[in-house]
Order: sequence, then structure tokens, then C-alpha cells
Amino acid sequence: GAGVSQSPSNKVTEKGKDVELRCDPISGHTALYWYRQRLGQGLEFLIYFQGNSAPDKSGLPSDRFSAERTGESVSTLTIQRTQQEDSAVYLCASSTWSNIQYFGAGTRLSVL
Amino acid sequence: QKEVEQDPGPLSVPEGAIVSLNCTYSNSAFQYFMWYRQYSRKGPELLMYTYSSGNKEDGRFTAQVDKSSKYISLFIRDSQPSDSATYLCAMSEAGFKTIFGAGTRLFVKA
Repeated sequence: GAGVSQSPSNKVTEKGKDVELRCDPISGHTALYWYRQRLGQGLEFLIYFQGNSAPDKSGLPSDRFSAERTGESVSTLTIQRTQQEDSAVYLCASSTWSNIQYFGAGTRLSVL
Repeated sequence: QKEVEQDPGPLSVPEGAIVSLNCTYSNSAFQYFMWYRQYSRKGPELLMYTYSSGNKEDGRFTAQVDKSSKYISLFIRDSQPSDSATYLCAMSEAGFKTIFGAGTRLFVKA
């Protein structure tokens, strides 16, 4: 497709379970970003990939959060031992070198 | 002081009004200036971007950048209820992290 694709669109999980969120960037975009957005709040930066390396992981809130990227393609964000405070929308964006980012529709995570 | 400041609103206007949304910033190295629109329960959608200074117009939307004042604006003419959304400004220098404003919630009343 032409845009950034994220899956699943919604995820409901129980506290303590692990979840994997997937992002498929726009073809040819070398940079990929993950953000978290809590209800009614702004964007919280999590991690940034250039190719398959992550020069900026400064936003990952704890060691329960990790992400990887295969080449200049798909990325997965993994949250281990989910907590209720992890409930949010997780947004992925991709860009070329210009940093003009294009966003996916997000994954809405609910931890019960 | 945050790198990018944006009034969260909410801003409520009648249909047909001209809307002015603004952000200030502190990093003089920013080169790319973007405006995103985010509807409730959706991802941000890129509306417009400007490289360096100047104005850019697209239909009812005009983006302005004043680098001397470190101030950017988005104007919406003939506002419509469908323009009701959160508007986020963003800015970056190539190769560095993009910084987003907190977003301004806009309500256009029919």
C-alpha cells in the first residue's frame, strides 16, 4: 500500500502478558519512528530507526519496551509484562532524510 | 523551556471564521516546519510542510514561517465543522529528531 500500515488496529490484553505491535513503513522511507499517545495527550517519542539501527532509544519508558527493524522494512514494538499504564495508542511514522513524517492509523492497546 | 510551544486550546470558532493556529520554537537550526491534523481516534495526517521561511498555500490552508521571530502559523479560511480536530505543529533539521508541539484542539461550530 501507499501509506504506513500498522497492525493490529486494536489489541486487548491482560496485565502481565507480552504484546507485539507491527509497523510497515512507506516503501523507500529509511527512517521509522514509534510514538505513544495517551488519551487526550500529545505524542510521546519512543524510538527512532535509521535503516535497521536505532540511534535514539531515549524515549523507551522501561526495559519492558523493545523494538527491532528488519532492514528498511517492517518494525515490531514489543511490550513485555504489560501494565495498565501501558494502555495507549501506539503510533508509527516513517520518513525520508527530510524528517517529514507520515503516520499510520495506530494500534490502540488496552491492558485489563 | 520546551523546544516547541503550542497553546493546547481548546479554540472554538463559528463556521466560516478564519482560524489562526500558532507555535513558537527556540532552536534556530530548524529547517522543516510541518502541520498535522489529527481527528479523534485517528493517526496524525500531514497537512502541509514548509522548508525554511516563507508562506505556502493549499486551498483554504496557509502556512507561514517567520524564522526571525521563531514563530510559525497555520491559517484556515472559511472554517468548516469538518475542520474540527487537533492540529499539531512539528519542526526538524534534516538528520535530527522531529519535535512536535502538544497540539491545539479546534472546534468549528455549525
